[in-house]
Amino acid sequence: DVKVTQSSRYLVKRTGEKVFLECVQDMDHENMFWYRQDPGLGLRLIYFSYDVKMKEKGDIPEGYSVSREKKERFSLILESASTNQTSMYLCASRSDRVPGNTIYFGEGSWLTVV
Amino acid sequence: GENVEQHPSTLSVQEGDSAVIKCTYSDSASNYFPWYKQELGKGPQLIIDIRSNVGEKKDQRIAVTLNKTAKHFSLHITETQPEDSAVYFCAAINSGGYQKVTFGTGTKLQVIP
Repeated sequence: DVKVTQSSRYLVKRTGEKVFLECVQDMDHENMFWYRQDPGLGLRLIYFSYDVKMKEKGDIPEGYSVSREKKERFSLILESASTNQTSMYLCASRSDRVPGNTIYFGEGSWLTVV
Repeated sequence: GENVEQHPSTLSVQEGDSAVIKCTYSDSASNYFPWYKQELGKGPQLIIDIRSNVGEKKDQRIAVTLNKTAKHFSLHITETQPEDSAVYFCAAINSGGYQKVTFGTGTKLQVIP
């Protein structure tokens, strides 16, 4: 089975702190994604990466950056956390090679910024 | 770009009844439509999917139908059980070339015992 692992499930950070959310997938997937999930707003794409060192902005990239130095790892960075970034963050991955193109999610990281 | 609308946003059914969730999409190039179930505190899990060359797919109590002409697809859950209570998301994907996954806004299903 595909496994997408988000290393931190629950974090509490202070306003202005730099925050790293880490995600690792074990299926050699080319594409990786970071979503933000808020009540009533569904899943909103922050950034995605289709290859190592490649990144593309999603729908809500402001206040975030990403890093993909290795194929299996995709990091989301909040340069200066703000209270409006309190949310659940979901990492996901998908293969370009599998006909199904199913997207697989991690368990989520709950971030509270105080 | 693609726009996916999902209805209803909340749905309550009695245990044993059926539940139907509907999604519409706007991009005729979308050709893959997965459905995800998200239980409280967990990430979304794929439960069923359908491709544009198929009109219906069934897996035990879950079925998905697709109407390409009308650009809508639906999730059907029969004989609902309390463990079916969760948030369900639909998605539309153009699996050719570079693809952006567009999700619906989710349906919170409550199955009342």
